[in-house]
Amino acid sequence: DAGVIQSPRHEVTEMGQEVTLRCKPISGHNSLFWYRQTMMRGLELLIYFNNNVPIDDSGMPEDRFSAKMPNASFSTLKIQPSEPRDSAVYFCASSLAGLAEDTQYFGPGTRLTVL
Amino acid sequence: QKEVEQDPGPLSVPEGAIVSLNCTYSNSAFQYFMWYRQYSRKGPELLMYTYSSGNKEDGRFTAQVDKSSKYISLFIRDSQPSDSATYLCAMRDTNAGKSTFGDGTTLTVKP
Repeated sequence: DAGVIQSPRHEVTEMGQEVTLRCKPISGHNSLFWYRQTMMRGLELLIYFNNNVPIDDSGMPEDRFSAKMPNASFSTLKIQPSEPRDSAVYFCASSLAGLAEDTQYFGPGTRLTVL
Repeated sequence: QKEVEQDPGPLSVPEGAIVSLNCTYSNSAFQYFMWYRQYSRKGPELLMYTYSSGNKEDGRFTAQVDKSSKYISLFIRDSQPSDSATYLCAMRDTNAGKSTFGDGTTLTVKP
């Protein structure tokens, strides 16, 4: 398997623009997580899905952020409008929930810069 | 106060040193304890996993959990320059679908 795939790997945009981050989880995994990582705040869970259903979105910073998982093999995280403070590395991870170990496999991340 | 607190570092050691990385937590319901390693500009990857209290050894790495003290550690013996990375502890309770991560400790092993 190719692992978790994220696109784009880098995104530079101007304040106010819409940003869409994409994720393809590992085939067969039923949980998907979106994280944001910054030096100041570390790794923050934004939202996670189980069987394509959002379970916990309490980490989504505000209404400018939205996430969807239309099917088991694709998810998006959208920021509209983007702000400079959204600059961070965004990771997608997937796992096979129900196993005791429940290891999360992370993608390579999308490095977002909002000017 | 955060649910999981991790020694902030950064930590710099000479090659061959023994390294100790530590986390404390406040949620007594946590049962699963993980250590992830993150190389620069990469995503975290699972290094060690432990259920409940006790020790687990894997080569040069030992994970230790003390639930009575709500304290977990990762020991690295004979550290190598290739161990230079950020180490994140993570933990979750039995019924949770998500893990809670520490902020990470950046380790540099100098040749």
